Amino acid sequence: NAGVMQNPRHLVRRRGQEARLRCSPMKGHSHVYWYRQLPEEGLKFMVYLQKENIIDESGMPKERFSAEFPKEGPSILRIQQVVRGDSAAYFCASSPTGLAGGLWNEQFFGPGTRLTVL
Amino acid sequence: AQKITQTQPGMFVQEKEAVTLDCTYDTSDPSYGLFWYKQPSSGEMIFLIYQGSYDQQNATEGRYSLNFQKARKSANLVISASQLGDSAMYFCAMREPVYNQGGKLIFGQGTELSVKP
Repeated sequence: NAGVMQNPRHLVRRRGQEARLRCSPMKGHSHVYWYRQLPEEGLKFMVYLQKENIIDESGMPKERFSAEFPKEGPSILRIQQVVRGDSAAYFCASSPTGLAGGLWNEQFFGPGTRLTVL
Repeated sequence: AQKITQTQPGMFVQEKEAVTLDCTYDTSDPSYGLFWYKQPSSGEMIFLIYQGSYDQQNATEGRYSLNFQKARKSANLVISASQLGDSAMYFCAMREPVYNQGGKLIFGQGTELSVKP
C-alpha cells in the first residue's frame, strides 16, 4: 500500500511564475491536509479538503494561494505569482476519516515538496 | 486559541543515554490529542507517539514514551537509550477536536536533537 505521494519533490520557480504542487493521498483516504514549513520553523496548517470540498482554509494566505481536491486525481496546491517568501517545504497529509475519526485520526504525511523561488 | 510551545531549540545527548524533550500546550477544550513527530535531515515527517487527553496511562512506543502531565499541560517526549539515528528535529503537535472543522494539527517550533557517539 503506497504511502502519500507528493510531486515534484523539488520545485524551482522565478518570481512571478506559478507553482503547482500535487498530492496523491493513500489509497482509501478522502481527507487531505496541506501544511507549510518555513525555514527553521514548525509546520503551519494551510487547508483541509475532502473530495470536491474545501472544509477549512483558515491557514491559507488570502491572495495567490488556492487548493483543490477533485473527484478524480490528486489534490493540487497552486501558488500564483510566487515571491521569495513562498520558499518553503509544503507537506501534504491524508487520513481515512475526518470528522468521524475522533482525536486518534492519524494523518499520514507525504515526503514534502521543497519550493525555491529565485 | 490552541498553542504548542517547545522551549528547547537544540539538545545534545550522549549515545545510549536517555533524553527528555519538552512540550507544553494550551487549550481550553477538554478533548485533544497530542503527537510527536521526528523529522530527519532528509525532511520527511515520521509519526512517533500519540496521547489522548482522556488516556489514563502515559503512551509508550518502543524506546519512546510520553510523560503526560495534564494539570501542568505538558507532554514531554522521553527517548531511552539514544542512538545516533535519533539525531533529528522533533516536533510536538496538538490536534483540535475533530468536530471543529476536521482536526488540523498545530505544531510547536521543534527541538533539534544531536546524539553524540
